[in-house]
This record gives sequence, C-alpha cells and structure tokens, in this order.
Amino acid sequence: AQSVAQPEDQVNVAEGNPLTVKCTYSVSGNPYLFWYVQYPNRGLQFLLKYITGDNLVKGSYGFEAEFNKSQTSFHLKKPSALVSDSALYFCAPSDPGTYKYIFGTGTRLKVLA
Amino acid sequence: NAGVTQTPKFQVLKTGQSMTLQCAQDMNHNSMYWYRQDPGMGLRLIYYSASEGTTDKGEVPNGYNVSRLNKREFSLRLESAAPSQTSVYFCASPARQGRGTGELFFGEGSRLTVL
Repeated sequence: AQSVAQPEDQVNVAEGNPLTVKCTYSVSGNPYLFWYVQYPNRGLQFLLKYITGDNLVKGSYGFEAEFNKSQTSFHLKKPSALVSDSALYFCAPSDPGTYKYIFGTGTRLKVLA
Repeated sequence: NAGVTQTPKFQVLKTGQSMTLQCAQDMNHNSMYWYRQDPGMGLRLIYYSASEGTTDKGEVPNGYNVSRLNKREFSLRLESAAPSQTSVYFCASPARQGRGTGELFFGEGSRLTVL
C-alpha cells in the first residue's frame, strides 16, 4: 500500500536556527512530492514540489526540500527559522497515474523566540 | 480571485440530520476533491471528481454522497449524520497539469460537529 511517514509529531526549534521536518514515503513509480503548510483554522497552502531534476527544491517563504531517491525521503528545510513559521506541515506524494495524493499525519513546527 | 470557496464554515448537527457542504472553484480546474481532517490522521480522501460529470470514491466514502454540479461546483452530502463524521472538511482542486502532478488549492474548511 502507498504510504507516507512524518515520524515527528512536533519539532521545536529556536528562532534563527535551521529547521528540518522529515518525510519518507513508500509509493511505487515516480511520484511527485509536495509540501503544504497549515496555519490555525485555515486551509492548507502549497509550499513546494519536486518533479524531477535537481534534488534540492526551493519554495515559498524561504523553504526548501531535499529529495533522496535511495532513501525515499523528501525532507523540508529552512536555513533560519522564524516565529511566524510555526504551523502544521504536511508531506504529500502523489500516486502516479491516478488522481490521488497521499497525505502524512502532519508535523507541528514550533519556533521559539 | 477567490480560488476555492466552501460553505458553511461551521455547522452543528444532531445525529440523523442531513446537510450539504458546498464547494466552488473559479480557477477553471478540471478536478475537485473532498477531504476530511482528523487529529493524528492527516487528510483522508472522501470522494473526488476527475472532471465534470465523473465522481469516484476515495479512502473513506461511507456515509457520504457527492455531486459534481458543473465544472465549478462540487458538493458533499451527509444523508444521516453520525458523531463519527465530526471533522473538518476541505475541498481542494489541483492545478491543471495532469494526473497527480499539480499542486492542490484548498478551501478554508468547514468545521462540522455532530451531536
């Protein structure tokens, strides 16, 4: 079965420090890989996606993600965290050839001032 | 440009009551989706519509029906609400780039409580 894992329910980081939110997936074929952010009482917003090519993808708000094919991982990173980055983050690979996207359970990022 | 609009934002129902969640998108996208979000479970797909005139079941379709009224609108109906359907419901529509390739645009959510 297709699945995605976000192993950390919550990540705490001090403002100004680098952050990483982890994602690994088990999807056959070559899925497209997405990250979304959800602020309280809001819908999800697209951050970035990997299609093919360079393993480091840059997205909105200074976020980037690193694709590793051998480890089937797509970790979200940011060099310097802001308090305003505190939110819920979802990794979501697509199921190739279908219309479906597979969502992880989400990781709550808390950036401490 | 509103993107994806959902109504209502909040609703409280009694067990056995029915209701319809409305969703409209103004991006001229072909596909539309309904998800539910529950704590610790991420987003689960209820139904989707790949194009106008078609609908398909997702992971958790039981207790729900959908209608793709036209290209813009995709509604979700609960015929006889149950407490297990207490959740936050999101409508979404992927950018027009082919199957599973476009990023999803989400509505703001509909928070439903069934007593």
